[in-house]
Parts: sequence; C-alpha cells; structure tokens
Amino acid sequence: KNQVEQSPQSLIILEGKNCTLQCNYTVSPFSNLRWYKQDTGRGPVSLTIMTFSENTKSNGRYTATLDADTKQSSLHITASQLSDSASYICVVIGSAGGSYIPTFGRGTSLIVHP
Amino acid sequence: DTEVTQTPKHLVMGMTNKKSLKCEQHMGHRAMYWYKQKAKKPPELMFVYSYEKLSINESVPSRFSPECPNSSLLNLHLHALQPEDSALYLCASSQDPGLSYNEQFFGPGTRLTVL
Repeated sequence: KNQVEQSPQSLIILEGKNCTLQCNYTVSPFSNLRWYKQDTGRGPVSLTIMTFSENTKSNGRYTATLDADTKQSSLHITASQLSDSASYICVVIGSAGGSYIPTFGRGTSLIVHP
Repeated sequence: DTEVTQTPKHLVMGMTNKKSLKCEQHMGHRAMYWYKQKAKKPPELMFVYSYEKLSINESVPSRFSPECPNSSLLNLHLHALQPEDSALYLCASSQDPGLSYNEQFFGPGTRLTVL
C-alpha cells in the first residue's frame, strides 16, 4: 500500500530560526514528489515539485531535497517568518493504470512565534 | 487567470437537503479533482475528471455526485448527507491528465457543515 509519512507532526520555532521537515514514502512506481503549504481553512499551495533525477530544488527560503534511493525528502525553511505558520504537506505522485494518483502525507503543523 | 474558484465559501445544510458545490478554472486545464479534508488531516481524493470524463472514483458514497458540464466547470451535487460528511471540500485542476509532472492548483475550498 502506498504511504507517505511525515515528521514531526508539529513543530514550534522562534521567528528567524531555521527548521527541517521530513517525508518518507513507499509509493511505487514513483513519478514525482511535491511539497505544499496549507494555511488553515485554505487550499494547499505548491512550493516545489521534484522528479526522480532531482536532488535539490529551492523556492525562495524553501529548499527541498530528495533521495530516491532511500525514499526520503526534506523541506528546509531558512530564516523563518511569522507567515510561515501553516501545515506543510508532502505529496508523492505514483501511477496506476495510466492515471497519476497522489498520496498525501498527514502534514507537519509549523508554528512560528515572535 | 491562474486561479481556481469555488462557491460557496461556506455551506450549512440539513441531512434532507440537496445542494451543489461549484468549481471553476479558466487556465485551460483538462484534469479536475475533488478532495475532502477533515480537520488536521490531509486531503482525501474523491474524484478525478480527465477531459471532462470521470476517470477516478475513490469509492465515494453515492450521496456525492460529481458533474463536469464543460472543461472549465466542476460540480459536486450533495444529497442526503450525514453529519460526518462535514469537512472542507477542495477542488483542484492540472494542465494535462496524461502528464505526471503537472502542478495541481487548488481552490480555497468550501467549508461544509451538515446538521
């Protein structure tokens, strides 16, 4: 069964600090991996999309890494801001019968305190 | 226009009511999705439309009935819902259902409460 596990479940940091969120997956066959940011009561917004051959991808203060061999990904947030408080969801896209199926992680809830 | 819009933003309905959720995009995307999200849980895929045809139904109860009148619109018809169906309903779209490397654009969601 395809699964995406994220850790930690929740995280509290001070403004300006860095943090790293983890994602482990067992999705086969693998197509790509995405990180989304979701504010409470809103739809998720894409941060990065990574394919099998990409190891690192940055989007401003967000840097995602992917190790396809160990099936692990991380999202590193640099110099956190209050607006980074949100849920961060790891989504792995697999394929089945010609369709592309997303498997969602449960998310990491990040709270940034002043 | 790079937006997915959803109406209404909030909906309260009784278990005997019939209502519909609407989703619209004008990005020329040919894949559209319905997700259900409970509090503090990830979105759960419900339906996928590919080129206006239903391609995936994730064993969703028949009280939820999707409809794709054209390539820009996606509806979710609701009838005889249960209180446990209360959730945030998210619509998403992506450019080409045949390509996996397609960013999904999500709408803001409809917050549904079933009394």
